[in-house]
Amino acid sequence: EAGVAQSPRYKIIEKRQSVAFWCNPISGHATLYWYQQILGQGPKLLIQFQNNGVVDDSQLPKDRFSAERLKGVDSTLKIQPAKLEDSAVYLCASNPGPATYEQYFGPGTRLTVT
Amino acid sequence: GNSVTQMEGPVTLSEEAFLTINCTYTATGYPSLFWYVQYPGEGLQLLLKATKADDKGSNKGFEATYRKETTSFHLEKGSVQVSDSAVYFCALSEGNTPLVFGKGTRLSVIA
Repeated sequence: EAGVAQSPRYKIIEKRQSVAFWCNPISGHATLYWYQQILGQGPKLLIQFQNNGVVDDSQLPKDRFSAERLKGVDSTLKIQPAKLEDSAVYLCASNPGPATYEQYFGPGTRLTVT
Repeated sequence: GNSVTQMEGPVTLSEEAFLTINCTYTATGYPSLFWYVQYPGEGLQLLLKATKADDKGSNKGFEATYRKETTSFHLEKGSVQVSDSAVYFCALSEGNTPLVFGKGTRLSVIA
């Protein structure tokens, strides 16, 4: 079974530029999450999708971050414009759906904003 | 809201030493508890889990017991190896709600 795929693995941009990350969850997984992991901290949720609907985006800085999962499969996370404090690893995870416990993580995208 | 507190690192041990990483949690309901591991340059991997009180999760020689009375889920291993060097995260969730993570504990094992 293929795991969660993410691209790119690394990205360096200047502040005020825009960037997009892509995630392909495990086939058949209805729930998809984006987490932000700042160096030295645990991951924190940005947004959760159930199929193509948003379940929780309360922690997403909506003035600069956006995410979509149009067909209930792949997802993209965008930052526009980026700030220095957005430097972090962006993790995508998926799980089969409600009442299931384990989340499967992708390798992450390491973003550096200069 | 839910939260997880785990011991600060870094932790440095000699090979074959006993490991304990403390983790306590605060939750409004009945969460599932997890330990995730992040090896250098790699993504998060589930190490073990426990879904109800008194359950013991185990994997690769690591163990943790879900203690509801002390709201704890301490990670233990009897004899660590150099290859166990990584960052360990304690986490909780309820159903498929987002995981709430602790800050992580970096473990370095020296030969």
